[in-house]
Amino acid sequence: AQSVTQPDIHITVSEGASLELRCNYSYGATPYLFWYVQSPGQGLQLLLKYFSGDTLVQGIKGFEAEFKRSQSSFNLRKPSVHWSDAAEYFCAVGLEYGNKLVFGAGTILRVKS
Amino acid sequence: GAVVSQHPSWVICKSGTSVKIECRSLDFQATTMFWYRQFPKQSLMLMATSNEGSKATYEQGVEKDKFLINHASLTLSTLTVTSAHPEDSSFYICSAPRTGEPYNEQFFGPGTRLTVL
Repeated sequence: AQSVTQPDIHITVSEGASLELRCNYSYGATPYLFWYVQSPGQGLQLLLKYFSGDTLVQGIKGFEAEFKRSQSSFNLRKPSVHWSDAAEYFCAVGLEYGNKLVFGAGTILRVKS
Repeated sequence: GAVVSQHPSWVICKSGTSVKIECRSLDFQATTMFWYRQFPKQSLMLMATSNEGSKATYEQGVEKDKFLINHASLTLSTLTVTSAHPEDSSFYICSAPRTGEPYNEQFFGPGTRLTVL
């Protein structure tokens, strides 16, 4: 069965520091991969997605992610974190042309000043 | 981007009562919508797929008689939690896909916090 693992439940980084959030997936074929951000009171917002092609994808708000097939990973990175980035981040695998999403457990990012 | 709304944003009810949650796609039509449930500190779990004009499809382990879904129009799906109990307290989120290539991007509502006393 398809699954997504986000091994870090909480991460705290200093403002201005770099960030990497880990995501591993289990899926037989080449997956559609997504990163979403959830802020309190707001719906999930798509940060970036990967289907095929260049394995380094750029997203909104300065985020990027790299697809590594050999490691079944799709880690999210940002070179310099801002206080407004504090939120919960979800990695997801899309099935059925993106219609069905299997989410990881999420990583809560805290940013300290 | 496309907008999906949910109403209410939070609701408190007594055990045994029924609660209806609405999900609307505001600026696009959606023949399919999805309902998720999110427990505290846990991920979103897909509950069911709402299909306009036909029966909803429920994921394994989800009681269809407890969670009634109606997709009455191309912009509205409702989830009714019937005879709610404290264990139904959760955060319910809907999403609607906007058709595109090569995939249908999902747009999420802000969620509804249900507390059953």
